This record gives sequence, C-alpha cells and structure tokens, in this order.
Amino acid sequence: AQSVAQPEDQVNVAEGNPLTVKCTYSVSGNPYLFWYVQYPNRGLQFLLKYITGDNLVKGSYGFEAEFNKSQTSFHLKKPSALVSDSALYFCAVSRNQAGTALIFGKGTTLSVSS
Amino acid sequence: NAGVTQTPKFRVLKTGQSMTLLCAQDMNHEYMYWYRQDPGMGLRLIHYSVGEGTTAKGEVPDGYNVSRLKKQNFLLGLESAAPSQTSVYFCASRDYSGGELFFGEGSRLTVL
Repeated sequence: AQSVAQPEDQVNVAEGNPLTVKCTYSVSGNPYLFWYVQYPNRGLQFLLKYITGDNLVKGSYGFEAEFNKSQTSFHLKKPSALVSDSALYFCAVSRNQAGTALIFGKGTTLSVSS
Repeated sequence: NAGVTQTPKFRVLKTGQSMTLLCAQDMNHEYMYWYRQDPGMGLRLIHYSVGEGTTAKGEVPDGYNVSRLKKQNFLLGLESAAPSQTSVYFCASRDYSGGELFFGEGSRLTVL
C-alpha cells in the first residue's frame, strides 16, 4: 500500500530565509511523487513532480524538491521564502502505473513572517 | 478552457437527504477521482475511475456511490447523508500518461 508522511504540521520561517517542507513516502516499486499547494478556500495547485530522471526537480514559483530513494524522501525547498508562499502544502505519491490514484499526506502549513 | 468544474460549490443537507455532486472536465482526461478534505486529515480518496463506464473504491468509499457514464463527467452521490460526511469534496482528473492531477475548486457540503 502507498502512504505519505509529512512529519510537521506547521513550518515557520522568516521572509528571505530558506525553507524546507519534509515528505517521506512508502510505495511498492518506483514512485511518482508530487507537491501541491493550497491557498484558503481554493483547490490544489500543482507545484512539481518527480517521475524519473534527475533527482532534483524544479517547479513553479521558485520551488524545488529532491528525490532521495535511499531515504524514501521528497522534501520541498525554496532558497528564499516570500510572505506570499504562506499556504498549505501537500505531498503525494502514486505507483508508476497509469491510472493509479495519488495518495496524499496530511499537509503542512507554511507560515512566512515579514 | 475551464479545466475541472464542480457543481454545486456549496450545499447544506439534512441527515438522511440525498444529493449528487457533478464533476466535469474538458481536457479529455481518462482518469478521474473524488477526494474529501477534512482538517488535519489531508485528502482522502473516495472513489476513482480509469475510464468511461468504470469505477473503483478508494480509501473511504462507504456511504458514497459514483458513476462515469460519459468520459467528461464523474458523479458522486450520497444516498443518505450523515453528519460525518460534512466535508469539502474535490474532484480531479489526469491523462493517461500518469502525470499530475488537475483539481476543481471544491464543493463544501454541510450535513445537519
């Protein structure tokens, strides 16, 4: 069975500082990994994905994530946080088989202070 | 290009009433999904469909039924609503390549 863990309910960071939102996963076989962001009262917006290839994936709004197979992790990072990055972030995993559903973590609230 | 559209956006039901949530996508995607979002629980998969005429159970299917009579539509039904079904429901779709999900804006359901 697939599962995702986001160990931090909330991450607080000052504007301009680097940020990391952690994610670990469990899946049989090779994973597809995703990060999504949700702003209040909105749907989820896609940030980035890892399917295959380079372990460092770059996505929207300056975010990036590093796939680490040995640690089964896919942490989301940004070199310099903005107040507008404050939102709810979800990590998700699926098996590398077309049609299989994404399983989501419980989410991490990122709060960036000015 | 509307993407994924959910109707209605808000609904209040009394316990025992029935209703249907409609999801429509205009991207010709093969796969469609219904999730529910509850505080502290993340998104949990209710049902999904890998093609027209097919459906499958997800993590939390009890109390819900679905139908995919047309490729572009995925309906979620509650036959007898319960307060535990108070939630925000999200529909999503993706294409055959297995890429990212595209989400609707959500449907907020309150069951009294």
